[in-house]
Amino acid sequence: GQNIDQPTEMTATEGAIVQINCTYQTSGFNGLFWYQQHAGEAPTFLSYNVLDGLEEKGRFSSFLSRSKGYSYLLLKELQMKDSASYLCAFLYSSASKIIFGSGTRLSIRP
Amino acid sequence: ETGVTQTPRHLVMGMTNKKSLKCEQHLGHNAMYWYKQSAKKPLELMFVYSLEERVENNSVPSRFSPECPNSSHLFLHLHTLQPEDSALYLCASSQDELAGGGEQFFGPGTRLTVL
Repeated sequence: GQNIDQPTEMTATEGAIVQINCTYQTSGFNGLFWYQQHAGEAPTFLSYNVLDGLEEKGRFSSFLSRSKGYSYLLLKELQMKDSASYLCAFLYSSASKIIFGSGTRLSIRP
Repeated sequence: ETGVTQTPRHLVMGMTNKKSLKCEQHLGHNAMYWYKQSAKKPLELMFVYSLEERVENNSVPSRFSPECPNSSHLFLHLHTLQPEDSALYLCASSQDELAGGGEQFFGPGTRLTVL
């Protein structure tokens, strides 16, 4: 089957670094996405990983280990506007079969 | 209009009504998607269209009927819904199918309440 797990909530301090983990169980893995969703808004794309390793994009980085079924999203120099839900999602079996995790609600405190 | 638009933004309907949700993308994309987002539940993929052909149907009840008349428009026809169908319905599009890292662009959603 396909399962995807991420923490429900996290809190971090402005200016700090936070790592949001995501684990998945699947066969037919075809790529992993991270999306950001602010309350009351639509999700927006952050990153995509299909090969092992770290992909860096500004303050945000995403890591993937396919052998461990594990990914994380790393957010640096946290800003108040980073308070949002972060959705991990993986693509499996086919070109467009995607499953989303429940999301991690990140709260940033001053 | 830019990006992905959805109408209506809010909809209240009775269980015997028939209504349709509309999505339009102005990005020249080839793939479009319907998602359901309920409180406390993950975003659920419902349907995928690629080049106007349905390529995925995630065991969605037949009371939800999608239609993709062209690559810019996607509809979700609703009939005899249940209260548990109340949710935010999101439309998204991507240049091509998602393999290879296709970024999805989401619309603002339609907040549906079934009485």
